[in-house]
Amino acid sequence: QSALTQPPSASGSPGQSVTISCSGTRSDVGGSNSVSWYQQHPGKAPKLIIYEVTRRPSGVPDRFSGSKSGNTASLTVSGLQAEDEAAYYCSAFAGSNNPVFGGGTELTVL
Amino acid sequence: QVQLVQSGPEVKKPGASVKVSCKASGYDFLNYGISWVRQAPGQGLEWMAWINPYQGNRNTAQKFQGRVTMTTDTSTSTVYMELQSLASDDTAVYYCARDPYRHDSWGQGTLVTVSS
Repeated sequence: QSALTQPPSASGSPGQSVTISCSGTRSDVGGSNSVSWYQQHPGKAPKLIIYEVTRRPSGVPDRFSGSKSGNTASLTVSGLQAEDEAAYYCSAFAGSNNPVFGGGTELTVL
Repeated sequence: QVQLVQSGPEVKKPGASVKVSCKASGYDFLNYGISWVRQAPGQGLEWMAWINPYQGNRNTAQKFQGRVTMTTDTSTSTVYMELQSLASDDTAVYYCARDPYRHDSWGQGTLVTVSS
């Protein structure tokens, strides 16, 4: 199972919006509603911020939103804040009945 | 609240095995699968395997088949992951995470260092 494809880096200024893409195939992103996004700060465990493509766990700000079109999922961070600077990973539950992760995107708040 | 607490760091020699534990609390242990995910230094997340504590069924990434063994102790709500035939590129932080469909709660991570 190949990793999902994410851009290695993204950036934006405070208050701006940034969108991170996650490309896969019909066998994973395109064929699954179990698409998730995680935020990871250095030295910390990942934290779930989006699940089932668009849903936010309790406590996650509504500045974070998810979407999907075809074989590509997207995470949008609106109203960027300094604390949003982190690595972001997508994952999908693949047709092989196994999860697969993206390579990760480092988000820099300028 | 949901909590996953992992065992401490390990240093192993090449060819050895390591066993990492993940103790769950704050929810019904039998209702959720547990995934194991690793992260090599400076690298991304890599899913390894998951186990359903209720049914006992397991799925393992092809890369780790034959090298990973997972067991559960329902009396202590603990999942164990043993990785065999360690090599230097197995040096990584190993995480357990609840629910392979969401990974909605993560352990703190266990650093496994493989060095001669």
